[in-house]
Amino acid sequence: NAGVTQTPKFHILKTGQSMTLQCAQDMNHGYMSWYRQDPGMGLRLIYYSAAAGTTDKEVPNGYNVSRLNTEDFPLRLVSAAPSQTSVYLCASPGTSGRNEQFFGPGTRLTVL
Amino acid sequence: GENVEQHPSTLSVQEGDSAVIKCTYSDSASNYFPWYKQELGKRPQLIIDIRSNVGEKKDQRIAVTLNKTAKHFSLHITETQPEDSAVYFCAAIGETSGSRLTFGEGTQLTVNP
Repeated sequence: NAGVTQTPKFHILKTGQSMTLQCAQDMNHGYMSWYRQDPGMGLRLIYYSAAAGTTDKEVPNGYNVSRLNTEDFPLRLVSAAPSQTSVYLCASPGTSGRNEQFFGPGTRLTVL
Repeated sequence: GENVEQHPSTLSVQEGDSAVIKCTYSDSASNYFPWYKQELGKRPQLIIDIRSNVGEKKDQRIAVTLNKTAKHFSLHITETQPEDSAVYFCAAIGETSGSRLTFGEGTQLTVNP
């Protein structure tokens, strides 16, 4: 039981390039979410999905997601901008019935 | 939507002293309040949580208190140790927000030996 996994750990993009950050969970939970973490600003919710086939966004532009199955929740940066330089964390609740969120190890993304 | 404010942003204490971090929330319907600890270079991990039907919860050296009337909750760490040094985040979930957590900005706690 790996919990929540993310790839890659680090990546550097040039402005305007696109990229997909991968997230997978093996806890068979319907809910998954993406946060970005910036110094002094805590963790900000970007996108979430309550179940396979559904997604909802919290921020207006620059990101897309898909949820084709329960396990995977990839986050796509359509045309990367320097403002998207951040650490991206994927999360999903466990199976305890509580609201506890388990986080993946994160992807540190730099956009030049 | 929910708004969570966290204070202080940095906190430095001597080993053995107590540390207190405070958070306020805006949505009176919020009913779950977790605290996460994030060590340098690692992912956030849950250390303690409290539900709105409880006023206080303790787990060894850490405790959380909740004042629903004032809409604030606090993390208390007693007998601090150097390994308590980390960034601590509070968060809240509202009754209608499913599993969507709203986080505070974080507190960098440094415990000096």
